[in-house]
Amino acid sequence: AQTVTQSQPEMSVQEAETVTLSCTYDTSESDYYLFWYKQPPSRQMILVIRQEAYKQQNATENRFSVNFQKAAKSFSLKISDSQLGDAAMYFCAYRWLGTGNQFYFGTGTSLTVIP
Amino acid sequence: EAQVTQNPRYLITVTGKKLTVTCSQNMNHEYMSWYRQDPGLGLRQIYYSMNVEVTDKGDVPEGYKVSRKEKRNFPLILESPSPNQTSLYFCASSAMISHNEQFFGPGTRLTVL
Repeated sequence: AQTVTQSQPEMSVQEAETVTLSCTYDTSESDYYLFWYKQPPSRQMILVIRQEAYKQQNATENRFSVNFQKAAKSFSLKISDSQLGDAAMYFCAYRWLGTGNQFYFGTGTSLTVIP
Repeated sequence: EAQVTQNPRYLITVTGKKLTVTCSQNMNHEYMSWYRQDPGLGLRQIYYSMNVEVTDKGDVPEGYKVSRKEKRNFPLILESPSPNQTSLYFCASSAMISHNEQFFGPGTRLTVL
């Protein structure tokens, strides 16, 4: 079974500093997709970044980047130059187009940005 | 505007009173799903559908029903709600292409007394 683990229920970072959120997953598949979603206090789920497992290059979106370690099944999110608007719950997610085509989510990391 | 809509956004009801939460998407997505979000448990999938008339159970289907009669709609039905179904519910849709992320509705806060 596919599982996604976020071992940090809460994290905090000083404004303008860098923070890394951890995510590990368990799968026996070689071709899959990974996502980070942000959920601000409004509760809306917003895609932050995605990574294709077959790509070795780490995805980057402005201040957000990932460290994808396929062999270690690790997919961490780095937020650079943290801003107050980055305060949110962050969810890691896995998708495989196999049976069911399901998405699997981690339990989330609540990020606080300290002014 | 591409979006997933859910109604109602907030609902307080009593045990045993049947309710339906509607979900609609305008992106012609094949894949739709329902999640519930509870503190410390993240998002857990209730049911999903890969196309019209094709539905399947997720991780926590007990006490819920769904139907997919039209591609754009995927209602969630609670035949006899119980207090343990008090939760935040999200509907989501996606194209079947694997790199496509899911698009989420705004959420429905359900309280069962």
